[in-house]
Amino acid sequence: GAGVSQSPSNKVTEKGKDVELRCDPISGHTALYWYRQSLGQGLEFLIYFQGNSAPDKSGLPSDRFSAERTGGSVSTLTIQRTQQEDSAVYLCASSLRGTGGRGTNQPQHFGDGTRLSIL
Amino acid sequence: QKEVEQDPGPLSVPEGAIVSLNCTYSNSAFQYFMWYRQYSRKGPELLMYTYSSGNKEDGRFTAQVDKSSKYISLFIRDSQPSDSATYLCAMNNNAGNMLTFGGGTRLMVKP
Repeated sequence: GAGVSQSPSNKVTEKGKDVELRCDPISGHTALYWYRQSLGQGLEFLIYFQGNSAPDKSGLPSDRFSAERTGGSVSTLTIQRTQQEDSAVYLCASSLRGTGGRGTNQPQHFGDGTRLSIL
Repeated sequence: QKEVEQDPGPLSVPEGAIVSLNCTYSNSAFQYFMWYRQYSRKGPELLMYTYSSGNKEDGRFTAQVDKSSKYISLFIRDSQPSDSATYLCAMNNNAGNMLTFGGGTRLMVKP
C-alpha cells in the first residue's frame, strides 16, 4: 500500500520567495503532522491536524509559517518570505486516530520529506 | 538540557555484533516510546512501538523501557551492514500529538 507521499522531494529557492510543500497521508489516516529536521536542531514538531482542524500549532517558528488541510486528506505547508535559516528537511507523518484510552495512541508513519534549500 | 538525550555516535561495530542504543528522558508524562530507523535522504521508518514499561521483541530487535529510570534501549542482534543508518528514539504522552525526538545515533556495521 502507498505510504505518506511528499512533494516536491527537493526545492531550491531564493531568499524572500514563498514556498509550498505538499503532503498526501496514508489513506484512512485522520491525523497528520509536520516536522522539520535540521543538522543543529534534530527533528522538531511544527503542527498537528486532526481532520481539517489544527488543535496544536505550537511548533510553528514564526508567522511566516502556515499550514492547511482540506478534505481531511492532503495538507500544504506554506513558508512566506523564506529566510536562509528555513533551510531544512520538512517531514510529514500521518496516523490513525487513537480512541483516547490509555495505551491506544497510534504510531506515526513518515514520508521521505522535502529538502528545502534557501539561497 | 534537552527533554530527550541520545548519544550521537557514530557507533561502529563488526557484522554479527549485538548493538545497544539508548536514550534518557526527563518528562515523566511520556508513556509511548518509539524507535525509528532513518537511512540517508529517507524519512524515519518505524521499527518499534511500545507503551509504558517493559520489553518488546520483533525479530532481531528488542526494545526495553524503564520508566523508573527514564531510560529506553534498543538492542539489535546479529547486526548486518544493512542496519547501518541513524536510529532515532521518540516519545509522547497520552494526548498523543507531537513526538519528541532524541538527536539520533549513527550506526555503522562493517562487513
